[in-house]
Amino acid sequence: RKEVEQDPGPFNVPEGATVAFNCTYSNSASQSFFWYRQDCRKEPKLLMSVYSSGNEDGRFTAQLNRASQYISLLIRDSKLSDSATYLCVVNVMDSNYQLIWGAGTKLIIKP
Amino acid sequence: NAGVTQTPKFRILKIGQSMTLQCTQDMNHNYMYWYRQDPGMGLKLIYYSVGAGITDKGEVPNGYNVSRSTTEDFPLRLELAAPSQTSVYFCASSYEEPMGGQGSEAFFGQGTRLTVV
Repeated sequence: RKEVEQDPGPFNVPEGATVAFNCTYSNSASQSFFWYRQDCRKEPKLLMSVYSSGNEDGRFTAQLNRASQYISLLIRDSKLSDSATYLCVVNVMDSNYQLIWGAGTKLIIKP
Repeated sequence: NAGVTQTPKFRILKIGQSMTLQCTQDMNHNYMYWYRQDPGMGLKLIYYSVGAGITDKGEVPNGYNVSRSTTEDFPLRLELAAPSQTSVYFCASSYEEPMGGQGSEAFFGQGTRLTVV
């Protein structure tokens, strides 16, 4: 089983719709969680950190479920510019600075 | 600020050749990282550094070497290129260790697309 698992997609979603995707992690010692965004042939950029209480940044909401070992990302009122690959990233306490990266979920917003 | 700058952006190497991927950052970050990204896979950590003079292996260090003589620079050396090293390489830096705090965001360079033939 992969340490960080994501549905690769693509998720094809009409503009204005709400879309959500999950990421599961296998190591219960995981303690920090992030969503990064990567545009085609570009570098990853931090979208948001994921806190235990959940957090919201504009149209984006991230949730953490420690009991079931997954994090989620919800995008409301999706824009064409949201088309990208969303990378789930986990920091495991015993991995000494090593972030474990998911392979990403590809999102395509259609007009 | 330029952020994290990587050179070159593209390179084709023949099997057995050597090369150095350059990485420099102007944000005074202590933590620097080299990743490779293969199609359909998550980023894999090759080497990392927590400060000048200190480097350590990541998950996939074989075939690579690094040095960190200054805070700004973190070059990655490929000694004997192999087709398995065909990948996109990203250098990144962060102010703090990636524990979720405000300074833990990793900033990436634009990547180097390396093909070994």
